[in-house]
Amino acid sequence: DTEVTQTPKHLVMGMTNKKSLKCEQHMGHRAMYWYKQKAKKPPELMFVYSYEKLSINESVPSRFSPECPNSSLLNLHLHALQPEDSALYLCASSPTTGPGEKLFFGSGTQLSVL
Amino acid sequence: DAKTTQPNSMESNEEEPVHLPCNHSTISGTDYIHWYRQLPSQGPEYVIHGLTSNVNNRMASLAIAEDRKSSTLILHRATLRDAAVYYCILRMYGGSQGNLIFGKGTKLSVKP
Repeated sequence: DTEVTQTPKHLVMGMTNKKSLKCEQHMGHRAMYWYKQKAKKPPELMFVYSYEKLSINESVPSRFSPECPNSSLLNLHLHALQPEDSALYLCASSPTTGPGEKLFFGSGTQLSVL
Repeated sequence: DAKTTQPNSMESNEEEPVHLPCNHSTISGTDYIHWYRQLPSQGPEYVIHGLTSNVNNRMASLAIAEDRKSSTLILHRATLRDAAVYYCILRMYGGSQGNLIFGKGTKLSVKP
């Protein structure tokens, strides 16, 4: 199994809603990542987890809250988002965060904030 | 930060080879060169990576200049399915610098 599975594929939420994005992998990878991608732009790194601990937070607003409950799961909790947060949210994993490792990406969750 | 420079777009004909260039003049000795591609409406997909020597896999070849200041991704026979944005990325040891930071990439169009 070389897949990273993201759910849901599409999400529409209001600015007062609370929702969560889910990411799962069963490759035994110990590094997991969240990226945000606006239309026609490259992906931007948001968070990096290494061995279930948050190792990188790229100055992301607190309305985005990541969680790594175990080595296979990565969640992104969303609260009080703004319309400009509408984007494709991508999850990825790799065996470790070493620079010689390759990342496996999910197909993303397309988020619309109304 | 070590950065990469790629052409914004390139065109190719189907079944012909494609050479996608990348300049990384500030690369240091321990930086890995990674290539990913992103097809429309999909997440990025790993293509190939290398450190110093040329690399081949089932998808592509990576040719690295002797001074490592540039590299070329080679698709041996382009197909319509290879139309995508191709990203050349440097990954280095330590902190956030080791993470996959995407530049603007090259949009490859393949003509039948």
